[in-house]
Amino acid sequence: QSVLTQPPSVSAAPGQKVTISCSGSMSNIGKNYVSWFQQLPGTAPKVLIYDNTRRPSGIPDRFSASKSGTSATLDITGLQTGDEADYYCGSWDSSLTAGVFGGGTKLTVL
Amino acid sequence: QVQLVESGGGVVQPGRSLRLSCATSGFIFSSFAMNWVRQAPGKGLEWVALISYDGSYNYYADSVKGRFTISRDKSKNTVYLQINSLRTEDTALYYCARDNPSSGSIWSFDHWGQGTVVTVSS
Repeated sequence: QSVLTQPPSVSAAPGQKVTISCSGSMSNIGKNYVSWFQQLPGTAPKVLIYDNTRRPSGIPDRFSASKSGTSATLDITGLQTGDEADYYCGSWDSSLTAGVFGGGTKLTVL
Repeated sequence: QVQLVESGGGVVQPGRSLRLSCATSGFIFSSFAMNWVRQAPGKGLEWVALISYDGSYNYYADSVKGRFTISRDKSKNTVYLQINSLRTEDTALYYCARDNPSSGSIWSFDHWGQGTVVTVSS
């Protein structure tokens, strides 16, 4: 049981937009920054978003995120087949004094 | 460029110990906090431990507290994860990840290694 809750899977057609949600609580998302990670099959995770909305250099602006209260969302527009991956949200939990991840969302581009 | 290379994994019997290493290069090691994150086969990511840039403080996931110890050696630019009393549920791919210096968070990554596999089995 993950501290952060994500849908197990989402799907959309190429060129479309998909939204992945991440739900937490006051002690994690409510108080701390959220990061989003992409893990392509057989590879190490990669940071897509940090500090709720910021993209590292090299991450296309098709990837964007937001946070409101104790929830966060990752939007991916102009879907490509190469976006098929597992996506994870994560945050620091001030009560646990620990990092916490969501359970991951598998994106299928139909 | 930034490189993180994990090593030390293997097949180990339950109850034994193992020390994982993450050798780093391409940046000023003593300026960055470091983390370990693991991923059990077919499962999601699980954060394991964090050590501050100077080793003065660290944090652990509840699931490993008391059995795992994170440490660092600035002379070797290496971060370690000592794993004691190994359990079958510790079987996972263990990644090290560097703190993101651009972030305002205590917990934010930018670079990840490729991981080292730990298999706990009798």
